[in-house]
Amino acid sequence: SQQGEEDPQALSIQEGENATMNCSYKTSINNLQWYRQNSGRGLVHLILIRSNEREKHSGRLRVTLDTSKKSSSLLITASRAADTASYFCATESTGANSKLTFGKGITLSVRP
Amino acid sequence: GAGVSQSPSNKVTEKGKDVELRCDPISGHTALYWYRQSLGQGLEFLIYFQGNSAPDKSGLPSDRFSAERTGGSVSTLTIQRTQQEDSAVYLCASSPAEDTQYFGPGTRLTVL
Repeated sequence: SQQGEEDPQALSIQEGENATMNCSYKTSINNLQWYRQNSGRGLVHLILIRSNEREKHSGRLRVTLDTSKKSSSLLITASRAADTASYFCATESTGANSKLTFGKGITLSVRP
Repeated sequence: GAGVSQSPSNKVTEKGKDVELRCDPISGHTALYWYRQSLGQGLEFLIYFQGNSAPDKSGLPSDRFSAERTGGSVSTLTIQRTQQEDSAVYLCASSPAEDTQYFGPGTRLTVL
């Protein structure tokens, strides 16, 4: 069963605008991570937020985590055409030897 | 340092043939994961190796799929008697712990 589910499935914005992507999950987690994928190949890790954190920043990225609502958001500020990619959230559930579970991803298109 | 590498980058095979996909993780990473991604879809977990523990094979879709990790380093994913529905990008990732995953570029498998 899907753990992380992203919303929306696709997002198209103008360069310079902010992009907000959401992720919901079902079980208790140790951490939640966001990844980016270009051209259907390898994923690149963007940011990790732990269950005891509420907000984290990295450059133009801001991630929030609400464990009571089991949801997270990824905000990309001042978007650029180069931000066009698929974005995935992944959750590491609590428990021994837990693995990451990925959502289906959000396709972000940034128009120049 | 070198990242995760996978070979071959592309593989075209005929239905019914066996294929082997290779993953070279980042040196020192104890965890290794295999995923499958069909066109436009999210990542489907296949198998997870962590140190000397028994692998988590819960994601393997059928007994035609198997994987091994020799010496705690290189891993090989084997698909026997390939079917057209096996066509996908197969991604490998390694991790120093159960945390951030570092992905290889993937192997695009096409079964004719």
